[in-house]
Amino acid sequence: DADVTQTPRNRITKTGKRIMLECSQTKGHDRMYWYRQDPGLGLRLIYYSFDVKDINKGEISDGYSVSRQAQAKFSLSLESAIPNQTALYFCATSALGGGGTDTQYFGPGTRLTVL
Amino acid sequence: QKEVEQNSGPLSVPEGAIASLNCTYSDRVSQSFFWYRQYSGKSPELIMSIYSNGDKEDGRFTAQLNKASQYVSLLIRDSQPSDSATYLCAVGKSGYALNFGKGTSLLVTP
Repeated sequence: DADVTQTPRNRITKTGKRIMLECSQTKGHDRMYWYRQDPGLGLRLIYYSFDVKDINKGEISDGYSVSRQAQAKFSLSLESAIPNQTALYFCATSALGGGGTDTQYFGPGTRLTVL
Repeated sequence: QKEVEQNSGPLSVPEGAIASLNCTYSDRVSQSFFWYRQYSGKSPELIMSIYSNGDKEDGRFTAQLNKASQYVSLLIRDSQPSDSATYLCAVGKSGYALNFGKGTSLLVTP
């Protein structure tokens, strides 16, 4: 079984709808992240959480919110989806590693299309 | 200024050749450096991590780090068509999320 899972894997929705993307991990990592990826723009960090009580905004948090329900679960919500949120979304996890920083491991991704 | 810079490519190399991928970073206190491989539509997969100046080898892959020059590279020896992918450089420091470059597209031609 995959260590980091994302649901759904694909989603098509309409403008204005509320959408939740879920991420679960069995790696036992404390740290979890949400990224979006668009062609030519690379990975961009939306939100990250270093433990259950810690939530931090990334570079593109506007229009998104997150919930860290447990160590193993980190959800991303789009309160009112808009077409420019169409992208590939990745969840990642990490634990403190060598050199005092983290090695991140990625889930399989969710392809979201907003019409 | 983007904190992690990579040439977007595509970098084209013939099968069996050495592919050289480069990355520069701006934060001098960066402590950890990673290379990820990403196939189209798939998630990034960790290839190498390096923390100290010098070379680190793992199979056909060698990561090279020069902190004074703020430069990290990835060499792929005996390149195969299956190595064709986008390679992401990531740089980290304690207490922060990793910074990713936009990636270099590598094409290995038979």
